[in-house]
Amino acid sequence: EAQVTQNPRYLITVTGKKLTVTCSQNMNHEYMSWYRQDPGLGLRQIYYSMNVEVTDKGDVPEGYKVSRKEKRNFPLILESPSPNQTSLYFCASSLRYQVATYEQYFGPGTRLTVT
Amino acid sequence: EDQVTQSPEALRLQEGESSSLNCSYTVSGLRGLFWYRQDPGKGPEFLFTLYSAGEEKEKERLKATLTKKESFLHITAPKPEDSATYLCAAHSNSGYALNFGKGTSLLVTP
Repeated sequence: EAQVTQNPRYLITVTGKKLTVTCSQNMNHEYMSWYRQDPGLGLRQIYYSMNVEVTDKGDVPEGYKVSRKEKRNFPLILESPSPNQTSLYFCASSLRYQVATYEQYFGPGTRLTVT
Repeated sequence: EDQVTQSPEALRLQEGESSSLNCSYTVSGLRGLFWYRQDPGKGPEFLFTLYSAGEEKEKERLKATLTKKESFLHITAPKPEDSATYLCAAHSNSGYALNFGKGTSLLVTP
């Protein structure tokens, strides 16, 4: 089944404790992206990757890191999480980086709480 | 600055009561206007992409239309299973991101 998977689905952590949220897709997609979704603010892009070893900042990259060493994986790293990073996170992928042409497939989401 | 605004924020309909959701956009060079459906606790699910003013696309009870300033998602004779949040997003010439609106939460009651 074609899908985007994220792990963990739920995470409660404390301020400053490094964490990684994994994202994997099995569709051989070039483009991958991370979003956060907050009440009243909608979906905002954190980082995106057009292909292996090519990443760039989205609208809200502060406090996050990403890497794209393999085509299928795009982990999101929070080196020192803070309470304002409590949010619902979505990973998405599409066949090519031409965002307007290829629909994005979203993962199921990771609900992160930082205390 | 690119902006996407959706209205209303929430809409409650009786089953069979048709209505429209609005998405107004201000972007520098629209390359694509997207509609997604999001169920509670799930990721957004792609519905439509529209590229140019006058374009229309349909899927079951949903029809999306596009003008130079806004897009509408028309829901004809909705059913309770159409209850969800509907997200609109625009892709412009300014980068590789989708600029999402805040969504319209639709509730269809029997």
